[in-house]
Amino acid sequence: KNEVEQSPQNLTAQEGEFITINCSYSVGISALHWLQQHPGGGIVSLFMLSSGKKKHGRLIATINIQEKHSSLHITASHPRDSAVYICAVKGSNYQLIWGAGTKLIIKP
Amino acid sequence: NAGVTQTPKFQVLKTGQSMTLQCAQDMNHEYMSWYRQDPGMGLRLIHYSVGAGITDQGEVPNGYNVSRSTTEDFPLRLLSAAPSQTSVYFCASSWQVNYGYTFGSGTRLTVV
Repeated sequence: KNEVEQSPQNLTAQEGEFITINCSYSVGISALHWLQQHPGGGIVSLFMLSSGKKKHGRLIATINIQEKHSSLHITASHPRDSAVYICAVKGSNYQLIWGAGTKLIIKP
Repeated sequence: NAGVTQTPKFQVLKTGQSMTLQCAQDMNHEYMSWYRQDPGMGLRLIHYSVGAGITDQGEVPNGYNVSRSTTEDFPLRLLSAAPSQTSVYFCASSWQVNYGYTFGSGTRLTVV
């Protein structure tokens, strides 16, 4: 079993829909990252969380440390949100443990 | 502010050749790391550095060397390229490992 599991693996939705991507992990962590990889390949860091909730524009990230679960939400989704969203957690050493990513397609 | 600069963007090597992938950042970040990304797989850590003069192995270090003589630069050397090293390589930096990451644009390497 992978230490970081993302669901769903693939998600297709219509423009305007509310999107939720989930990340579950099995190790103790000090921080969780959400990143976005565009179709062209570039990777952008979206959030880093150690507790609670963060919001940036239409993106919201939450984490529940007790349940070892984080969610990334996108409100009023747009085709430009189409990308792969990656969850990564930092454990007790310097290394990040990466999820396999969720491929999101938003149709106009 | 250029962020993280990776060169080259594309490279084709023959089996057995050596080469260096360059990574430079101008943000005075202490933490730098190299990842490879293969189709259908998550990013895998090759090597990382927590500061000048300090490097350590990640998940998949075999066949790669790194050095960190300055804060700005973190080159990745392929010693004797193999087809299994065909991948997209990303360099990333961070102020500290618990801060947000800045990624380079990636190097697409093909070994034939």
